[in-house]
Amino acid sequence: NAGVTQTPKFQVLKTGQSMTLQCAQDMNHNSMYWYRQDPGMGLRLIYYSASEGTTDKGEVPNGYNVSRLNKREFSLRLESAAPSQTSVYFCASSAYEGQGWGTDTQYFGPGTRLTVL
Amino acid sequence: AQSVAQPEDQVNVAEGNPLTVKCTYSVSGNPYLFWYVQYPNRGLQFLLKYITGDNLVKGSYGFEAEFNKSQTSFHLKKPSALVSDSALYFCAVRVGYSSASKIIFGSGTRLSIRP
Repeated sequence: NAGVTQTPKFQVLKTGQSMTLQCAQDMNHNSMYWYRQDPGMGLRLIYYSASEGTTDKGEVPNGYNVSRLNKREFSLRLESAAPSQTSVYFCASSAYEGQGWGTDTQYFGPGTRLTVL
Repeated sequence: AQSVAQPEDQVNVAEGNPLTVKCTYSVSGNPYLFWYVQYPNRGLQFLLKYITGDNLVKGSYGFEAEFNKSQTSFHLKKPSALVSDSALYFCAVRVGYSSASKIIFGSGTRLSIRP
């Protein structure tokens, strides 16, 4: 049981290049999330998917796209990378625990450290 | 605006002493509050959460948190700190309702426990 996995662990891009960050979970969770973590700013939500087939914007969606490929996988795409997208990216997932929406524990992947030159 | 604040960037405590990491929130409706911990080069791990009921919530690794509605606070506490507790701690709060709800994280507090 691997939990939440992310690939790659590290990536260096040049400005304007594109790439896709992959995330998969094996816990049969309905909801998945993409965050970015920047020093002094905590985690900020980029996009989330409440269930398979749906995606919604979070706090900072500009410059990103997502795909909920199936229940297990949720990818994040940078179409034209910019230096401002240098960050650590975390994927997370959660199951509905029956206490109401938004009460669910999130399980995080190990992160992808992205540098855009 | 709905938000969560961690007023201290860093907290330094001697091993064996009690520790407190502060968190205050501003949300409409009933607050759902969380604490997560991040060890170096790792993703966040869940510590505890308050949904309803007893104001004192117990979580992993001997941590607990007290929900105070009048002060809109949810401070993380531990009676006796360990060096291994040194990490980055995040408070988080749910905003929104139903399937559109999401979690907002604070900026984090670095906890340093000296031997």
